Amino acid sequence: GENVEQHPSTLSVQEGDSAVIKCTYSDSASNYFPWYKQELGKGPQLIIDIRSNVGEKKDQRIAVTLNKTAKHFSLHITETQPEDSAVYFCAARSTGGFKTIFGAGTRLFVKA
Amino acid sequence: GAVVSQHPSRVICKSGTSVKIECRSLDFQATTMFWYRQFPKQSLMLMATSNEGSKATYEQGVEKDKFLINHASLTLSTLTVTSAHPEDSSFYICSAPAGTGYEQYFGPGTRLTVT
Repeated sequence: GENVEQHPSTLSVQEGDSAVIKCTYSDSASNYFPWYKQELGKGPQLIIDIRSNVGEKKDQRIAVTLNKTAKHFSLHITETQPEDSAVYFCAARSTGGFKTIFGAGTRLFVKA
Repeated sequence: GAVVSQHPSRVICKSGTSVKIECRSLDFQATTMFWYRQFPKQSLMLMATSNEGSKATYEQGVEKDKFLINHASLTLSTLTVTSAHPEDSSFYICSAPAGTGYEQYFGPGTRLTVT
């Protein structure tokens, strides 16, 4: 069945450094890849997304890259800040399908 | 982005009672809403898809008689946990697609504790 794998499960970086989270997906029909940030006790917040017709998208300190051939996509956070500490989920969705498949999550710690 | 609200944010109930959780899309209409369950330090598990004007679609292994879903209007879906037991204690989150229909916006979640 459809599956999204996410690595690493935990990531600790020093403030100001970059953080990279990687995901792979199994369904070749997937064409939409969102990333969510979830703070403790809150619902996930959509922070950036990318469609399959684009290889890269950037929004200030956050960027996402997509390699459709390899079925890989990654989240890049530059100049990390303590407030970036949270759990990040990648996800994938197929054309015409309502289901969004989520990765297992990455717990990011940014040390001041 | 679109705003989705949930009520209550936190509820404690006794074993055997029923609890209703509301999910509202505040600034957009949603013919479809999703209900997720999340255990501590785990990912989101889709429980069911709520459809306005028709029956909900449940994921495999989710008891439809235990988790009753009603999509009463284009802005409101409710999840009722019937005859709750301690193992039903969890974080329940709803979401709704907005914008182009691909973007999914989540509510703040409801923490259910069954004693």
